[in-house]
Amino acid sequence: GESVGLHLPTLSVQEGDNSIINCAYSNSASDYFIWYKQESGKGPQFIIDIRSNMDKRQGQRVTVLLNKTVKHLSLQIAATQPGDSAVYFCAENTPPGGGNKLTFGTGTQLKVEL
Amino acid sequence: NAGVTQTPKFRILKIGQSMTLQCTQDMNHNYMYWYRQDPGMGLKLIYYSVGAGITDKGEVPNGYNVSRSTTEDFPLRLELAAPSQTSVYFCASSYQGRNSPLHFGNGTRLTVT
Repeated sequence: GESVGLHLPTLSVQEGDNSIINCAYSNSASDYFIWYKQESGKGPQFIIDIRSNMDKRQGQRVTVLLNKTVKHLSLQIAATQPGDSAVYFCAENTPPGGGNKLTFGTGTQLKVEL
Repeated sequence: NAGVTQTPKFRILKIGQSMTLQCTQDMNHNYMYWYRQDPGMGLKLIYYSVGAGITDKGEVPNGYNVSRSTTEDFPLRLELAAPSQTSVYFCASSYQGRNSPLHFGNGTRLTVT
């Protein structure tokens, strides 16, 4: 089956810099995407989502960009803080399925250096 | 509002033993899910439920069973534990079946030896 992948398994950034985490998806029919943050020993925490009829969505310090032409999703974190250190992964939902049809990527480790 | 609560946090089983992983949510979500997460792998769906009394298989259901007698609770049963079931198990719930983020518990780390 098709899968969601990540370009960079580990990303190191300086505190205060902006972070960009990338995700490539292969199913052009996917219409809903989610970014999750997972800290060590905890469950995935919802960050932001975006539907395929949008190309950008902003939250608090985070922005998700969707480029359907090249099937690429990115998560931008502004002014990265030590508390942002975690594994980040994306998930895609391909019709006609619901939450039971989410495909998860394997994750990118974000390390924030002081 | 506690969200999704899973118990226990850790468990060690011997091969052939059985156990139930508990999951409860207080968000009144109809949709609930069980995933397993293995090192370096994405989350894999074991079972899901679209409401009380309704369950269905996910991608990796073999060796597991579920029930959904109430909206709040969605326990996962392992009948004959095998080393291949060593993993971290996450329960999740969502408000809708589509275009709705899943909210996860903090997981149960299970080791089968």
